[in-house]
Amino acid sequence: GAVVSQHPSWVICKSGTSVKIECRSLDFQATTMFWYRQFPKQSLMLMATSNEGSKATYEQGVEKDKFLINHASLTLSTLTVTSAHPEDSSFYICSARVGTLQETQYFGPGTRLLVL
Amino acid sequence: AQSVTQPDIHITVSEGASLELRCNYSYGATPYLFWYVQSPGQGLQLLLKYFSGDTLVQGIKGFEAEFKRSQSSFNLRKPSVHWSDAAEYFCAVGSSGGYQKVTFGTGTKLQVIP
Repeated sequence: GAVVSQHPSWVICKSGTSVKIECRSLDFQATTMFWYRQFPKQSLMLMATSNEGSKATYEQGVEKDKFLINHASLTLSTLTVTSAHPEDSSFYICSARVGTLQETQYFGPGTRLLVL
Repeated sequence: AQSVTQPDIHITVSEGASLELRCNYSYGATPYLFWYVQSPGQGLQLLLKYFSGDTLVQGIKGFEAEFKRSQSSFNLRKPSVHWSDAAEYFCAVGSSGGYQKVTFGTGTKLQVIP
């Protein structure tokens, strides 16, 4: 089946630094990629949707200047958490979708971010 | 706005016993409904989906779910649970057109005891 990878799987950084998370579709081309954030014991919250070659669409309440998303190719999207603070600590999950059918959304394993 | 409620945060069942995980949704039109499973270190895997048609849908790994419009529910069932089913299960609702945003429930953690 389709595989989506995320790198790194774990990252610990100091407050004020920026962190980049990569999301790759390994064996298919993704027209759309999604970034989610998951807090402990809570559901996945959609942060933004990105289509290759265009600007990401952010959900209400998500700071676009803080969470920079780049979807440079059909197999790679990156999420950069700029000037990270402890409240940004969370589990970030990406997914990639082929076409518009919702069942073809494939999820990455997630990236755990801890900001000290 | 669409929403999903999974009332059970944690469920423990014995191996071989039957399982039912509850899911209630709120959506103005006919929803797209999903069940996903998340194992530690793994991405979310789609178990099954409902878009239209037969309200009883079969999924992978022996799971099934029934869409009940009158109860706004989409409960997940399995007749006999295996130890490998221990994981977190998420119900999700998607909008039926346009932006196609998917909203997830808070998840139910399943523990399987021998």
